[in-house]
Amino acid sequence: SAVISQKPSRDICQRGTSLTIQCQVDSQVTMMFWYRQQPGQSLTLIATANQGSEATYESGFVIDKFPISRPNLTFSTLTVSNMSPEDSSIYLCSVRLENEKLFFGSGTQLSVL
Amino acid sequence: AQSVSQHNHHVILSEAASLELGCNYSYGGTVNLFWYVQYPGQHLQLLLKYFSGDPLVKGIKGFEAEFIKSKFSFNLRKPSVQWSDTAEYFCAVTLNYGGSQGNLIFGKGTKLSVKP
Repeated sequence: SAVISQKPSRDICQRGTSLTIQCQVDSQVTMMFWYRQQPGQSLTLIATANQGSEATYESGFVIDKFPISRPNLTFSTLTVSNMSPEDSSIYLCSVRLENEKLFFGSGTQLSVL
Repeated sequence: AQSVSQHNHHVILSEAASLELGCNYSYGGTVNLFWYVQYPGQHLQLLLKYFSGDPLVKGIKGFEAEFIKSKFSFNLRKPSVQWSDTAEYFCAVTLNYGGSQGNLIFGKGTKLSVKP
């Protein structure tokens, strides 16, 4: 199994600022995923972050807006840059183990004023 | 603390059998409810969701779920499964506080294996 620590759990930010969300896993994992859930919506995959390579972004998401770091097999960060109220969402990291089992962080509730 | 419980860790069925996966949550307020599926090698895909209205929700691929508020349940059903339904299924709940979106909580998942 895997235990994921995601920080911060929530934040309220001003328009134009940036927030970095951290995801720490208690075991080494190859594949990490970043999702967001906007109010009234379901999860949307932002990007897949594999260690040692550039993150792969889904349609509608770009690296300049959501830069991702993956410095090692247990840690990743997602930055929400130049925030606007439309970025208010829950941001969620997830990992997939070698046996295909998925685990989820506790989520970050972001409100942008 | 709020939680989502999926009672079955691994379910094995033969093709054409009926499926019901249990999901219960612990929160007395307003919730939004989701079922997601992860097919082998893929990322999560939304099966269906409930926000309000008719508690019987129909999703993709013949899946449906019923929200029973008094039982805090949102069980997933399919009358006749196919081999291609082999996947892992996750129940998720978003807690709403005063109309604002709150915590997103996932169950631990149920692995479904369908024998051809």
